[in-house]
Amino acid sequence: NAGVTQTPKFRILKIGQSMTLQCTQDMNHNYMYWYRQDPGMGLKLIYYSVGAGITDKGEVPNGYNVSRSTTEDFPLRLELAAPSQTSVYFCASSHRLTGNNQPQHFGDGTRLSIL
Amino acid sequence: ILNVEQSPQSLHVQEGDSTNFTCSFPSSNFYALHWYRWETAKSPEALFVMTLNGDEKKKGRISATLNTKEGYSYLYIKGSQPEDSATYLCAQRGHFGNEKLTFGTGTRLTIIP
Repeated sequence: NAGVTQTPKFRILKIGQSMTLQCTQDMNHNYMYWYRQDPGMGLKLIYYSVGAGITDKGEVPNGYNVSRSTTEDFPLRLELAAPSQTSVYFCASSHRLTGNNQPQHFGDGTRLSIL
Repeated sequence: ILNVEQSPQSLHVQEGDSTNFTCSFPSSNFYALHWYRWETAKSPEALFVMTLNGDEKKKGRISATLNTKEGYSYLYIKGSQPEDSATYLCAQRGHFGNEKLTFGTGTRLTIIP
């Protein structure tokens, strides 16, 4: 079990460029999430998905898009990179069981700088 | 929106001492409280998921308690070791947020050898 795998680990983008942050999990989890982590701000939810074909906005969705075509994959797309999107991005997943009290499993993060 | 607050923001503890810190959350709309341990340059790892008022969970030297009526949870570390140095995050899930968690900003713990 690899768990939650994020690629790339690091990336530098120019303002206005686009890119996709990849996230895949091999635990057959229904729920997947994208967070960004800024200094002193904790983890902020960007988008989440409760299953293939279903996505929803979190707290800070502006400037991002997601898709969930399979259970395993949940890519995050930046269309027009802006300096405000410089951050560390974490993907997470969790299992849907009775009671829904399952912890989230996190990937190792993608450090993204927009210059 | 749920506001989850953690205190203190940072903490330095001598090796061997015990310590504790707090997570406060709105008691209304409570469903579950999560604790995560986050080492520098790594990803957050789940410690506990707690749901019942009065619940207490333990993993080795780390334990947590939950008071849903007054809206707080304590995390305790007994006999701190250098490997306990990390940021400890708590997160609340409300009833009407599906699986969404609202995270606090964390308590950064440094153990002084």
